Amino acid sequence: AQKITQTQPGMFVQEKEAVTLDCTYDTSDPSYGLFWYKQPSSGEMIFLIYQGSYDQQNATEGRYSLNFQKARKSANLVISASQLGDSAMYFCAMSDQGAQKLVFGQGTRLTINP
Amino acid sequence: DTGVSQDPRHKITKRGQNVTFRCDPISEHNRLYWYRQTLGQGPEFLTYFQNEAQLEKSRLLSDRFSAERPKGSFSTLEIQRTEQGDSAMYLCASSFREATNEKLFFGSGTQLSVL
Repeated sequence: AQKITQTQPGMFVQEKEAVTLDCTYDTSDPSYGLFWYKQPSSGEMIFLIYQGSYDQQNATEGRYSLNFQKARKSANLVISASQLGDSAMYFCAMSDQGAQKLVFGQGTRLTINP
Repeated sequence: DTGVSQDPRHKITKRGQNVTFRCDPISEHNRLYWYRQTLGQGPEFLTYFQNEAQLEKSRLLSDRFSAERPKGSFSTLEIQRTEQGDSAMYLCASSFREATNEKLFFGSGTQLSVL
């Protein structure tokens, strides 16, 4: 069975600093996808970034980058130049080979301080 | 593209009552998913549809839960004889099957409180 582990319940960061949110995963499938979603207090899950298991390069989307270390089974999210609007819950998730559903971690609550 | 919409946004009900939620996916998306999220946890998969066919149901989905997507467009999730343990956020998501990474687009959810 697939499993996502996020070990940081909460993170506090000063505005404009970079922040790394940890995510490790476990799967026996050779093909999978890794996702990061942001959930502000409004409740909507907002897609941030995707990494495929066969992708050679780490994914980047604007201020977001994914530090993918396949041998360690980790997929950490890096947010550069954090902003007050980045304060939210962040979820790491993975899809199976059939991409039929996502399995989510427990999330990390990120708070950006001015 | 108006995004995924869910109705109602909040629902308060008494234990034993039936409730029904509606989800309207992004129009060209052929897959629709239901998730449940309790406080402090990540979303948990409940079920998904490809067009009008319900292809998978989680073991979390007891017999009191039923989901439909009659014309392959909107979907409804009904909970019969609600229990206090059903209190949660119910999230709907949609995706386009042929997309490379099959990114899920989520709605804002329906927050259910069972008294």
